[in-house]
Amino acid sequence: ETGVTQTPRHLVMGMTNKKSLKCEQHLGHNAMYWYKQSAKKPLELMFVYSLEERVENNSVPSRFSPECPNSSHLFLHLHTLQPEDSALYLCASSQDRSGGRNEQFFGPGTRLTVL
Amino acid sequence: GQQVMQIPQYQHVQEGEDFTTYCNSSTTLSNIQWYKQRPGGHPVFLIQLVKSGEVKKQKRLTFQFGEAKKNSSLHITATQTTDVGTYFCAGRDSNYQLIWGAGTKLIIKP
Repeated sequence: ETGVTQTPRHLVMGMTNKKSLKCEQHLGHNAMYWYKQSAKKPLELMFVYSLEERVENNSVPSRFSPECPNSSHLFLHLHTLQPEDSALYLCASSQDRSGGRNEQFFGPGTRLTVL
Repeated sequence: GQQVMQIPQYQHVQEGEDFTTYCNSSTTLSNIQWYKQRPGGHPVFLIQLVKSGEVKKQKRLTFQFGEAKKNSSLHITATQTTDVGTYFCAGRDSNYQLIWGAGTKLIIKP
């Protein structure tokens, strides 16, 4: 499946590093999402963008900074992370944020380890 | 806040046995979606239920949406090794937010 791609697939970073996760969707969708998936926890929605505007920010610490330059690309900028931020970060897209079937298409994720 | 409770957290079955996972919402949902995540993979959409009391089937999988649109279930008949993974429900509330259940991990006993 190549509808939603994410890079890098794996990332190891120190607490003082700055890195960025990239997501690209090739489906012509209008909404994009960042999720955090930790072991033994539900999927945690972090950010939602609809038509390139941020419409949801679920109390995510400021060390995570999203960017959506256009409807096909979504970034997650990381700065001074903590070890508890280690998780699988999933990007998803859907045709629209609401209405209709609106299933979400997920990318393969970035496995992040913070040392 | 709004929650979707999903049980059980894990279910171990022998191949050929049935499997069921249940989701319950604290509030009425406009629809509910089901996803499957294979080990090492990412969630993949299975189905969406919209109508009260709706039942949909996909081969050995049966999905139900409760009459009050607060609960849903996924039942797999005669499990196979290809069914292994974690099954998530995700309910959409009146504010269009998708509220995810914690998932049920299906494990096939060797």
